[in-house]
Amino acid sequence: GESVGLHLPTLSVQEGDNSIINCAYSNSASDYFIWYKQESGKGPQFIIDIRSNMDKRQGQRVTVLLNKTVKHLSLQIAATQPGDSAVYFCAENSPLTGTASKLTFGTGTRLQVTL
Amino acid sequence: DVKVTQSSRYLVKRTGEKVFLECVQDMDHENMFWYRQDPGLGLRLIYFSYDVKMKEKGDIPEGYSVSREKKERFSLILESASTNQTSMYLCASSWGLVKSEQFFGPGTRLTVL
Repeated sequence: GESVGLHLPTLSVQEGDNSIINCAYSNSASDYFIWYKQESGKGPQFIIDIRSNMDKRQGQRVTVLLNKTVKHLSLQIAATQPGDSAVYFCAENSPLTGTASKLTFGTGTRLQVTL
Repeated sequence: DVKVTQSSRYLVKRTGEKVFLECVQDMDHENMFWYRQDPGLGLRLIYFSYDVKMKEKGDIPEGYSVSREKKERFSLILESASTNQTSMYLCASSWGLVKSEQFFGPGTRLTVL
């Protein structure tokens, strides 16, 4: 939502540069991770996911890296565009009742793309 | 495309009122979730449901209840709204898989006066 960014760390990058957004997670048993993008006034939108048996996964212009040793995730965006400006959340998955999973979200990072 | 819709984008209520937030998904998902989103706190899980008529507490259930009478619909109820429940409320749904992304609705901005 529009007020979600009031206390967020902000990453400012120039259009065309690569962006790296970092996230530390807390549960060493987490086995699935997701990056979401949230534009102002909208709900979070899935970008890319990675399972714990992988350390890297690539999508279109995005790459997620997972370092389980230090419990760290990063999202790399290549050739950042103005449309990439948003708040980015990482989320770690842990099982709940039945087949439901719980996603625990980080507090988010605001990406600002300058022209 | 998966579509998750929420009944209102903006809502203003008074302290003590009973508030209903509705969420509908059109992908036959087993699981549905309610979160609230506050500055600096990220998204916090209020309640979730993994089947019709089934519900489970999340991390911050106090002051809320939920109802899931049909698979596609999950309602969040504030029995007696308070000012500290002013927030952005997000509904999400997912398939019945342990590792499955959640699809979010656009959110309801609730202000309690």
